[in-house]
Amino acid sequence: DGGITQSPKYLFRKEGQNVTLSCEQNLNHDAMYWYRQDPGQGLRLIYYSQIVNDFQKGDIAEGYSVSREKKESFPLTVTSAQKNPTAFYLCASSPWTGKNIQYFGAGTRLSVL
Amino acid sequence: KQEVTQIPAALSVPEGENLVLNCSFTDSAIYNLQWFRQDPGKGLTSLLLIQSSQREQTSGRLNASLDKSSGRSTLYIAASQPGDSATYLCAVTRKGAGSYQLTFGKGTKLSVIP
Repeated sequence: DGGITQSPKYLFRKEGQNVTLSCEQNLNHDAMYWYRQDPGQGLRLIYYSQIVNDFQKGDIAEGYSVSREKKESFPLTVTSAQKNPTAFYLCASSPWTGKNIQYFGAGTRLSVL
Repeated sequence: KQEVTQIPAALSVPEGENLVLNCSFTDSAIYNLQWFRQDPGKGLTSLLLIQSSQREQTSGRLNASLDKSSGRSTLYIAASQPGDSATYLCAVTRKGAGSYQLTFGKGTKLSVIP
C-alpha cells in the first residue's frame, strides 16, 4: 500500500522531555510537511522540506526541530522549549508539481503528563 | 497575511438535504484551493482541488466553485447521507519564495441526521 505512515498514534511527554514523531512516505514525493492542529482550529504549518537535506520554518516553528536525511522520512522533534505541545500533529507529502496536492497521514496525538 | 474563514462553524441537516459550505479568503493571489474532509481523530482526505484559473470542480455528489476575485468558494453536497458527517476544511495555496504553502480555515463540522 502506498501512503504516509505516522507513528506513534498516541504519545505522552513528560515535562522537560524531547519527543520525536515519525513520518514515513512511500509515494516518492519530494516535499513533506508538518502541521499542528488544535481543537476547533485549522492546521498551522510547523516545518516543510522540498528536498533531502533541506527544510524551512513554517508559521510556528519555535520549539520544534526536523531533519530530512532520506526522501522517505521527515521526523519531527518536539523539544522542551515548546511549552504548549498538546495537539494533534499531521504529516503530509506532495509531489513537487504545480498542482501541489497534499496527502496526509493519520496523525499523532501528543499529550503532556 | 492570508486568512481563511469558514461559515458556518457547525451545521446539522436531515438526511437527503442538499447543503452548501462556505469558504472565504482575504488575498485573491492564490495558486489553487482545496476542500478536505476530516473524520474525528483522523488525517485529512482531499476531496476537490480547483486551480486558480478554474471556476468549479465536481466529484460525485460534491461540487466546489471558486470566485477568486471575490475571495469565495463554496462546497455543495447533494442528497446528504449520514456518512457525510465529518469536518470539512478549506485551504488555499500560496506560492512564495519558491515553495507552495497551504493556509487552512478552521472547518465546518457537518452532522447529517438519519
